[in-house]
Amino acid sequence: GAVVSQHPSRVICKSGTSVKIECRSLDFQATTMFWYRQFPKKSLMLMATSNEGSKATYEQGVEKDKFLINHASLTLSTLTVTSAHPEDSSFYICSADGRTGRHEKLFFGSGTQLSVL
Amino acid sequence: GQNIDQPTEMTATEGAIVQINCTYQTSGFNGLFWYQQHAGEAPTFLSYNVLDGLEEKGRFSSFLSRSKGYSYLLLKELQMKDSASYLCAAPSSGAGSYQLTFGKGTKLSVIP
Repeated sequence: GAVVSQHPSRVICKSGTSVKIECRSLDFQATTMFWYRQFPKKSLMLMATSNEGSKATYEQGVEKDKFLINHASLTLSTLTVTSAHPEDSSFYICSADGRTGRHEKLFFGSGTQLSVL
Repeated sequence: GQNIDQPTEMTATEGAIVQINCTYQTSGFNGLFWYQQHAGEAPTFLSYNVLDGLEEKGRFSSFLSRSKGYSYLLLKELQMKDSASYLCAAPSSGAGSYQLTFGKGTKLSVIP
């Protein structure tokens, strides 16, 4: 089946630094990828929709200048958390629209646990 | 807008059957997903219902009633490894889009 690779799986950083998270579709091309954030015991919340070759679409309340998304190729989207603060500590998950023709069209990465000290 | 509601926690015994309910209110209907998520891991796809009725897939079955805005996930012959959160989700825009709105998830604990 289709696989989405997300890296790193865990990152600890100091407040004020930037962190880049990569999401790759390994065996299919994904024109659309989604970035979600999940706080402990909370639901997955969509942050933004990443479209290859164009600007990302951000959900209400998500700062586009803080969460930079780049989708430069059909297999790679990156999320950069700029000037991270402790309140940005969360579990970030990407997903890619595989359009495989099956019901399992949305494939998730393994997630990145970000801890900002 | 989208509103998805499911119980926060459930406990069931190994070998038993458990039903996890989900009610939804969506602007338009483009199907309903169920995902399983173990702590600290990504969700994994369980089922997708777009028509009314019960769909069975091994130990897991999913039911949908569009008129009632209601779905449930049925887990049979529970195993300890089934302890996880179960997420109900609906596409938040047009047909074919997988911009999903998730419920808060139901944390299932399977006990011996």
